[in-house]
Amino acid sequence: GAVVSQHPSRVICKSGTSVKIECRSLDFQATTMFWYRQFPKKSLMLMATSNEGSKATYEQGVEKDKFLINHASLTLSTLTVTSAHPEDSSFYICSARDMGLADPEYFGPGTRLLVL
Amino acid sequence: GIQVEQSPPDLILQEGANSTLRCNFSDSVNNLQWFHQNPWGQLINLFYIPSGTKQNGRLSATTVATERYSLLYISSSQTTDSGVYFCAVGLGTGGFKTIFGAGTRLFVKA
Repeated sequence: GAVVSQHPSRVICKSGTSVKIECRSLDFQATTMFWYRQFPKKSLMLMATSNEGSKATYEQGVEKDKFLINHASLTLSTLTVTSAHPEDSSFYICSARDMGLADPEYFGPGTRLLVL
Repeated sequence: GIQVEQSPPDLILQEGANSTLRCNFSDSVNNLQWFHQNPWGQLINLFYIPSGTKQNGRLSATTVATERYSLLYISSSQTTDSGVYFCAVGLGTGGFKTIFGAGTRLFVKA
């Protein structure tokens, strides 16, 4: 089956620094990638939709300048948390879809971010 | 926006028991998936089932799109089935988007 990887799996950083998370589709080309955020014991909340070569579409309430998304190729999307603060600590999960709506969405293993 | 409701929110089973998890959604959807999130956070694709019935080992799922619900059946449960089960629906309007239900937290005791 389709495999999506994320790096790093966990990161601890100081408040004020920026953190970049990579999401890769390993065995397929992802026209669309998604970024989610999950708080403890809660469901996944879609943050943004990323299409290769175009600007990401952010969900309502998600700060574009705080969460920078780049989808430079069909196999790589990155999420940069800029000037991180403790409230940005969370579990971030990416996913990728091969083609269109008729295709399953495959999820990466997630990245646990802790901002001190 | 669309509402995705899962029930029950929590479930405790004795190993070997069967269970049914339900997902109701409030509007038409393009697709529906069931996931199992393991204790490490990884989401495992269980079923991609916009309609009809599918089976995979001890798990099976049925989606009745016209009535806007889906069911996930777990038979002969095992302790390794513990975790959170999510239903997620795919929407087409305004672009590709997936909305998750709140999940059912399952604990199977030995």
